[in-house]
Amino acid sequence: GAVVSQHPSRVICKSGTSVKIECRSLDFQATTMFWYRQFPKQSLMLMATSNEGSKATYEQGVEKDKFLINHASLTLSTLTVTSAHPEDSSFYICSASPDPIEQFFGPGTRLTVL
Amino acid sequence: GENVEQHPSTLSVQEGDSAVIKCTYSDSASNYFPWYKQELGKRPQLIIDIRSNVGEKKDQRIAVTLNKTAKHFSLHITETQPEDSAVYFCAARGGGATNKLIFGTGTLLAVQP
Repeated sequence: GAVVSQHPSRVICKSGTSVKIECRSLDFQATTMFWYRQFPKQSLMLMATSNEGSKATYEQGVEKDKFLINHASLTLSTLTVTSAHPEDSSFYICSASPDPIEQFFGPGTRLTVL
Repeated sequence: GENVEQHPSTLSVQEGDSAVIKCTYSDSASNYFPWYKQELGKRPQLIIDIRSNVGEKKDQRIAVTLNKTAKHFSLHITETQPEDSAVYFCAARGGGATNKLIFGTGTLLAVQP
């Protein structure tokens, strides 16, 4: 149980384009999902908390107009990186919570912006 | 703001030895402390967790201890094996309404055969 999927696993795009990443909880409902970014050899940095049916809560320093989050159902949250630039290249990981305590992580999306 | 410090950043042990990783948190209201193992390019996997009403928890070769007074918690791996080699992250859940996790900086554990 507690399986989280993420799609796509890898994406390469040109500078200036937008990329959408999907995060799904496969066998549970997740009122809350989280989006993290991880640069090489660094820790996971929380970008935003996504709540089903309401606006996401962004961490300090994360541009909400650049990283658009939509949590339209209890099993799906999406992160759209708008007008991506090379500095946005990173490993993006989502997590989903079946309860107020635990988080289960998706497999991550490797974004490369050329 | 909330902060979690983790030490050491790298740890090399011989197969069969024990490994200990320590974390310190700043938010005294934190009530949940998971440990994750992450292999290169893969997702973090929960290996053990402890809640604030417990001082110690064991699961086979892995144990976690929590000292709420000192705001310290530690991961102990006994009888290490080469497949234990990975990056380990501690995390702390804040005491507020959100179940946001604050992660430590990670420890690269290398188990030498």
